[in-house]
Amino acid sequence: LAKTTQPISMDSYEGQEVNITCSHNNIATNDYITWYQQFPSQGPRFIIQGYKTKVTNEVASLFIPADRKSSTLSLPRVSLSDTAVYYCLVGPPHGSGNTGKLIFGQGTTLQVKP
Amino acid sequence: EPEVTQTPSHQVTQMGQEVILRCVPISNHLYFYWYRQILGQKVEFLVSFYNNEISEKSEIFDDQFSVERPDGSNFTLKIRSTKLEDSAMYFCASSPERDYEQYFGPGTRLTVT
Repeated sequence: LAKTTQPISMDSYEGQEVNITCSHNNIATNDYITWYQQFPSQGPRFIIQGYKTKVTNEVASLFIPADRKSSTLSLPRVSLSDTAVYYCLVGPPHGSGNTGKLIFGQGTTLQVKP
Repeated sequence: EPEVTQTPSHQVTQMGQEVILRCVPISNHLYFYWYRQILGQKVEFLVSFYNNEISEKSEIFDDQFSVERPDGSNFTLKIRSTKLEDSAMYFCASSPERDYEQYFGPGTRLTVT
């Protein structure tokens, strides 16, 4: 499994765009990049997944350069409710092995301030 | 929107006691998972369950742990003899297929004293 590196924490202010970068230098050809969000005292929640270039949904955008050795989760105009831990996972789409288990790293704690 | 539910939200137990954590996955889902998160640490995979049997388990999931789907709706995690280090948040998750996003429940906070 590809090892991921992301900042431990980030601060932002309401209304700003937040970009969280994840490094995954040894990403395999078949690996996807998936981001989960975890609010305090809640379970993780799927945000977005991509393989290359750019993916956008109603919550976020995911930018993946051509070499795929890193990726950036972009949250437009964050609000206080976006304060959470954001996890970058790299591996088969939606899980590893024969059973789809998710392997989480330490994640990035995003604190949005008023 | 369908969601995974878990009960209880908080369970306090004494060391050595048995606990059962309960989950109701989303109704048409086929894959079920338990994860745990010790306070301040990362989310860790415990076990996956499909077609009424364990598909995969982690090193954490030793003989003290067991899972069961006693009926068509519940999915339980039993810890036979709890230890202090079992204190954690336990999350249940489900997905309709293996290669599909997982939906997590709100968790059960287990405190072993």
